[in-house]
Amino acid sequence: TQLLEQSPQFLSIQEGENLTVYCNSSSVFSSLQWYRQEPGEGPVLLVTVVTGGEVKKLKRLTFQFGDARKDSSLHITAAQPGDTGLYLCAGASQGGSEKLVFGKGTKLTVNP
Amino acid sequence: DTAVSQTPKYLVTQMGNDKSIKCEQNLGHDTMYWYKQDSKKFLKIMFSYNNKELIINETVPNRFSPKSPDKAHLNLHINSLELGDSAVYFCASSLRGYNEKLFFGSGTQLSVL
Repeated sequence: TQLLEQSPQFLSIQEGENLTVYCNSSSVFSSLQWYRQEPGEGPVLLVTVVTGGEVKKLKRLTFQFGDARKDSSLHITAAQPGDTGLYLCAGASQGGSEKLVFGKGTKLTVNP
Repeated sequence: DTAVSQTPKYLVTQMGNDKSIKCEQNLGHDTMYWYKQDSKKFLKIMFSYNNKELIINETVPNRFSPKSPDKAHLNLHINSLELGDSAVYFCASSLRGYNEKLFFGSGTQLSVL
């Protein structure tokens, strides 16, 4: 069973601070997606990373896929209250069962 | 227009009842999914259909039966509801397969009393 471990589970910071969220696995993934979920809504895709070592930027958010495609990180610069939400990583399996495996998420709260 | 819509948004029912959740997508996607999110926010796949054909059937009790009348609809019927079925159920779709962007509905919060 492929598992994705996310850390930290909870993160509460002040507006303007930087933060990093991690997504780790012992399995190799063909691609990895990051979603953000707000209360009462479904997850919304932020980015997909495919190549080992790939870095993608989305405004103040920087996503990195590990060289071995087993881990990923999300770095937010100068966090804002609007960044508050549940951040989920999801890995697409490489061979074997074809499904997207989700991590348990990081609940981020950015206080004004 | 809502891309993936599911109804109802909230469902409160007694143990032992049978209930259905409906899902429709207007994106022209081939693949649809049902996910269950527990109280700890863990999102786990239940079923996946591609062009009305069952692709993934995770270890889900037989009381859960998905039905796809056409590729734009994937409904979930649950028999003999149990307390442990309480969760948020999300419908999702993707253009072709599991490794593409998923579009999620806004969820159905099921509470079994």
